Amino acid sequence: EAGVAQSPRYKIIEKRQSVAFWCNPISGHATLYWYQQILGQGPKLLIQFQNNGVVDDSQLPKDRFSAERLKGVDSTLKIQPAKLEDSAVYLCASSLDLQGPSTDTQYFGPGTRLTVL
Amino acid sequence: GDSVTQMEGPVTLSEEAFLTINCTYTATGYPSLFWYVQYPGEGLQLLLKATKADDKGSNKGFEATYRKETTSFHLEKGSVQVSDSAVYFCALPTDTGRRALTFGSGTRLQVQP
Repeated sequence: EAGVAQSPRYKIIEKRQSVAFWCNPISGHATLYWYQQILGQGPKLLIQFQNNGVVDDSQLPKDRFSAERLKGVDSTLKIQPAKLEDSAVYLCASSLDLQGPSTDTQYFGPGTRLTVL
Repeated sequence: GDSVTQMEGPVTLSEEAFLTINCTYTATGYPSLFWYVQYPGEGLQLLLKATKADDKGSNKGFEATYRKETTSFHLEKGSVQVSDSAVYFCALPTDTGRRALTFGSGTRLQVQP
């Protein structure tokens, strides 16, 4: 079974530029998550989708971050304009079903490391 | 809100040493508890989990017991290997009930030959 795919793996941009990250979850997984992991910290949820609907975006800085999951499969996370403090690893994860058991395992992609100069 | 606290790292051990990484949690009720591992250059992988009090999760020689009396979920391994060098994260579902995870800050383990 293919895992969660993310691209690009690395990105370096200047502050105030825009950037987009792409995620392809495991086939059949209804729930998709984007996490931000700042160096030395644990991942923090940015946004959670169930199919193509947003379940939780309370921690997403909506003045600069946006995300979509068209057709309930792939997802794109965008930052515009980027700030220095956005330097982090952006992790995408997927799980089978939000309505399933509470131990429903989340599967993580390798992440995109963003450096904002 | 629900949260986890992990011991500070890095932890440096010699091969075959005993490992303990402490994790305590604050939660409403009795959520499932998880340990994830992040090997260098890779994404997070589920290492083990426990769904209720007194459950013991185990995988690859690692164990953790869900102890509600002490609100702890410490990770242990009897004999570490160089290949265990990684960052370990304790986690629990957020208190929103939407199953996104709240992670601890991570503990880096370095095993020397």
